[in-house]
Amino acid sequence: GDSVTQMEGPVTLSEEACLTINCTYTATGYPSLFWYVQYPGEGLQLLLKATKADDKGSNKGFEATYRKETTSFHLEKGSVQVSDSAVYFCALSRGGKLIFGQGTELSVKP
Amino acid sequence: GAVVSQHPSWVICKSGTSVKIECRSLDFQATTMFWYRQFPKQSLMLMATSNEGSKATYEQGVEKDKFLINHASLTLSTLTVTSAHPEDSSFYICSATPGQGSYEQYFGPGTRLTVT
Repeated sequence: GDSVTQMEGPVTLSEEACLTINCTYTATGYPSLFWYVQYPGEGLQLLLKATKADDKGSNKGFEATYRKETTSFHLEKGSVQVSDSAVYFCALSRGGKLIFGQGTELSVKP
Repeated sequence: GAVVSQHPSWVICKSGTSVKIECRSLDFQATTMFWYRQFPKQSLMLMATSNEGSKATYEQGVEKDKFLINHASLTLSTLTVTSAHPEDSSFYICSATPGQGSYEQYFGPGTRLTVT
């Protein structure tokens, strides 16, 4: 069945460092792909999405490109801030349902 | 816009009792609501999908008689954990989608259930 695999956390970075969180998926066809972010004490929020191959989603300085050849959707940011500290979830959509990766906790230190 | 609330945010109950969790879409009508369960350091696992006015569709392995879901209106869905046991302790999250061509899900903040 469909599945999503993320790199394990926690990831600890210094402010202004570069971020990459790896995400790969297994699915038939070409599902839509998402990154959600969960700040402490809050619900999941959609960070960005891509609906077809080679699409690039971007928001708040974060980017991810839908790569069908490598079945990947890695999240990147060139310069992280302390306020980016959160848990990040990669997900795919199948028939209106979301299938999530296990989440990656990011901690950014000043 | 697109705010989803959950109540309560946390609850402690004794083993054998039932507990109800509410999920409300505050500023839109939700044709579909989803219920997830999240264990510490783990992913969200979809438990069931509910459409307003019809019976919920449960994922494989989820006991429908234990986790009762009601979606009586376009803004409210409830999850009742019946005869709760310590292994039901978890973080329960709902999401809602307005439908009408939009499949984006808006998530509630979650409810922490502890069964003693």
